[in-house]
Amino acid sequence: KQEVTQIPAALSVPEGENLVLNCSFTDSAIYNLQWFRQDPGKGLTSLLLIQSSQREQTSGRLNASLDKSSGRSTLYIAASQPGDSATYLCAVRRSSGSARQLTFGSGTQLTVLP
Amino acid sequence: GAGVSQTPSNKVTEKGKYVELRCDPISGHTALYWYRQSLGQGPEFLIYFQGTGAADDSGLPNDRFFAVRPEGSVSTLKIQRTERGDSAVYLCASSLSRQRVNTGELFFGEGSRLTVL
Repeated sequence: KQEVTQIPAALSVPEGENLVLNCSFTDSAIYNLQWFRQDPGKGLTSLLLIQSSQREQTSGRLNASLDKSSGRSTLYIAASQPGDSATYLCAVRRSSGSARQLTFGSGTQLTVLP
Repeated sequence: GAGVSQTPSNKVTEKGKYVELRCDPISGHTALYWYRQSLGQGPEFLIYFQGTGAADDSGLPNDRFFAVRPEGSVSTLKIQRTERGDSAVYLCASSLSRQRVNTGELFFGEGSRLTVL
């Protein structure tokens, strides 16, 4: 059974810092990995999706990497802003079988202090 | 529509009552998923539809939970004899089918917050 772990559970940084969020998964047979952002009381917003054949994806100040063999992904946020404050979730999708669902980590709650 | 739409956004009910939650996926998305999210946790998978049929319902916690998607678009999650432990945010997501050229990216709605008193 796939298990996804996110460390740290919470992180507080001053504005302007670069930061890294970590995600690890136990089964490397994945189809893709997706990073989401969730604001309090809201749904999930897709940030980046990395296919299993890819090593990284970039969007603006965000960069996500994937090392499938070691079961790890990182989300790098450059020049953090107070508006980046949210919970960040990573999720992996199985590569085979009938199941198509994502397995989520518990998230990292990020606070960027002005 | 432009995004995944879920109604109601909030539902408060009493223990033992019946509840229906509705999801309207992105137009053209054939795959639809229901997830449940408890406070401080990541979403947990409930059921996945490909078209009209439930391709995987292994995440449904018990037979009080049921979901339908009769025309392959809108889906309804039905919860019978609600219990306090059913209180959570119920999230719906949609994506294009894997049989078509696509990334497999899931798009989520805002969720329906269910509170069982």
